[in-house]
Amino acid sequence: ETGVTQTPRHLVMGMTNKKSLKCEQHLGHNAMYWYKQSAKKPLELMFVYSLEERVENNSVPSRFSPECPNSSHLFLHLHTLQPEDSALYLCASSQGGTRQFFGPGTRLTVL
Amino acid sequence: AQSVAQPEDQVNVAEGNPLTVKCTYSVSGNPYLFWYVQYPNRGLQFLLKYITGDNLVKGSYGFEAEFNKSQTSFHLKKPSALVSDSALYFCAVRDMTRNFNKFYFGSGTKLNVKP
Repeated sequence: ETGVTQTPRHLVMGMTNKKSLKCEQHLGHNAMYWYKQSAKKPLELMFVYSLEERVENNSVPSRFSPECPNSSHLFLHLHTLQPEDSALYLCASSQGGTRQFFGPGTRLTVL
Repeated sequence: AQSVAQPEDQVNVAEGNPLTVKCTYSVSGNPYLFWYVQYPNRGLQFLLKYITGDNLVKGSYGFEAEFNKSQTSFHLKKPSALVSDSALYFCAVRDMTRNFNKFYFGSGTKLNVKP
């Protein structure tokens, strides 16, 4: 495995629910990312944290709220989502501008 | 603007035949280029990268990629395909205009290798 874990692996939620996705890396990396993967579309970069500071927010709706409490953990808090938010959410980490290490993803279904 | 294009949604090849998955890029400056593979219900796995040096880069599982600066391409190749190579392949480029690590990905190409 890549050293990046994500929980839960699958999540079904209603539009009024509040849930959180968790990502954890023990690779000593200083950057962490959230991506959204939808079928036949490029990976959409949502957020980037570098040294625990959010450095990128790609016009993501406020119903998605990231949190990076330390260099090893990254959360994505979800509330009042829409059905079109159903997708695979991938977490990744990197160090030094080279390759990224991806987690297995959370398959999210919004009913 | 930085971008990556994968012109083929799907590539079909018979086992034992050579395969090519195409990628073109647009970047400012010298590119850092990557290929990743994604198997069903898994995250992306790194295959290979080009940063500098030889235009032919060798990576995992027998894959290689050829960097062509004049054509702004970075096609993924393998001399002899295996059924187990069937997966989704992503090309990516690093944004060199930022002082943090940001990457752009293509839309992916599904590779089908038939026995």
